[in-house]
Amino acid sequence: AQTVTQSQPEMSVQEAETVTLSCTYDTSESNYYLFWYKQPPSRQMILVIRQEAYKQQNATENRFSVNFQKAAKSFSLKISDSQLGDTAMYFCAFMRAPRGYGGSQGNLIFGKGTKLSVKP
Amino acid sequence: NAGVTQTPKFQVLKTGQSMTLQCAQDMNHNSMYWYRQDPGMGLRLIYYSASEGTTDKGEVPNGYNVSRLNKREFSLRLESAAPSQTSVYFCASSPTQGDTEAFFGQGTRLTVV
Repeated sequence: AQTVTQSQPEMSVQEAETVTLSCTYDTSESNYYLFWYKQPPSRQMILVIRQEAYKQQNATENRFSVNFQKAAKSFSLKISDSQLGDTAMYFCAFMRAPRGYGGSQGNLIFGKGTKLSVKP
Repeated sequence: NAGVTQTPKFQVLKTGQSMTLQCAQDMNHNSMYWYRQDPGMGLRLIYYSASEGTTDKGEVPNGYNVSRLNKREFSLRLESAAPSQTSVYFCASSPTQGDTEAFFGQGTRLTVV
């Protein structure tokens, strides 16, 4: 069974600074996807960034980037130039890649989340 | 552009009452999911439907039933609510099972007293 661990329940950062959120996972699968989701106080789950395990290049989306270390099973999220609107819960999630049709593929496995506060 | 719509957004039930949470998506997605979110926990999968006409249990299915009414709608039913089912419930959909992006509804906050 796959597990996702986020070891930092809460973090804070000053506006305009950089912060890194940690995530480790455990799986025996060779092909999978990893995600970071943001959940602001509105409760909406928003996809921040995703990474395909077969890609060596780290994913980047504007101020958000990941450090994907497949051998170490580590997937950290770096937020640069932090903004007040980045204040939210951040969830790391794992999904097994499709193999044919059916089964549990496509089901997301989430970590417990990191509450990030950006301070002015 | 509605995306995934859940109703109701808030609900209070008494122990033993039943209710159905409704979810509809307008993106022509094949796969739909129900998750629950408890304090200090990430989202956990209750049930999923890979395609119209199929449903399967997820990690925490006990106490719930689901119906994939048609391609658009996927409902979650609590037959006899218990305080342990107090949670925030999220419906999600994706174009196909295993597609890399799931789209979430805004959640239903359910309290069972």
